[in-house]
Amino acid sequence: EAQVTQNPRYLITVTGKKLTVTCSQNMNHEYMSWYRQDPGLGLRQIYYSMNVEVTDKGDVPEGYKVSRKEKRNFPLILESPSPNQTSLYFCASSFPHGLNEQFFGPGTRLTVL
Amino acid sequence: KQEVTQIPAALSVPEGENLVLNCSFTDSAIYNLQWFRQDPGKGLTSLLLIQSSQREQTSGRLNASLDKSSGRSTLYIAASQPGDSATYLCAVIGGATNKLIFGTGTLLAVQP
Repeated sequence: EAQVTQNPRYLITVTGKKLTVTCSQNMNHEYMSWYRQDPGLGLRQIYYSMNVEVTDKGDVPEGYKVSRKEKRNFPLILESPSPNQTSLYFCASSFPHGLNEQFFGPGTRLTVL
Repeated sequence: KQEVTQIPAALSVPEGENLVLNCSFTDSAIYNLQWFRQDPGKGLTSLLLIQSSQREQTSGRLNASLDKSSGRSTLYIAASQPGDSATYLCAVIGGATNKLIFGTGTLLAVQP
């Protein structure tokens, strides 16, 4: 089944404790990205990757890191999480051109205390 | 800067009714428009994709139209069912970065 998977689905952590949210897709998509969803602010892009080893900032990259060492994986790293990073996070993937449908993972609900 | 707005913000209808959700965008230079469904606390499910050269797409009871020149899209849901209750989001892609710019969403409740 074609899908985007994220792990963990739920995470409660404390300020400053490094964490990684994994994202994997099995559709051979070149393009992957991360969004966060917050009440009243909607969905905003954090980082994106056009292909392996090619990443760039989205609209709200502060406090996050990403890497793209393999085509199927695009982990999101929070090196020193803070409470304002409490949010619902989504990973998405697609073929590279803007004409293509994007597919989203199930989301990761992160709470930083 | 592209802005996407959805009206109404919330809608409650009785089961069986046909309904229309609206999406408007400020910059007509888009590659495509995609409609999503989101259940509470869950992920986004892609419903329909309309490429910029197309005017509509259909999937089952759903029909989405696109009028680029006026910056509008509509999602028509026929014979609504309680299982259609969810938040519906539209999003456009306008630039080379593939970034989706999302609307504010319409929360739909279909009453049995």
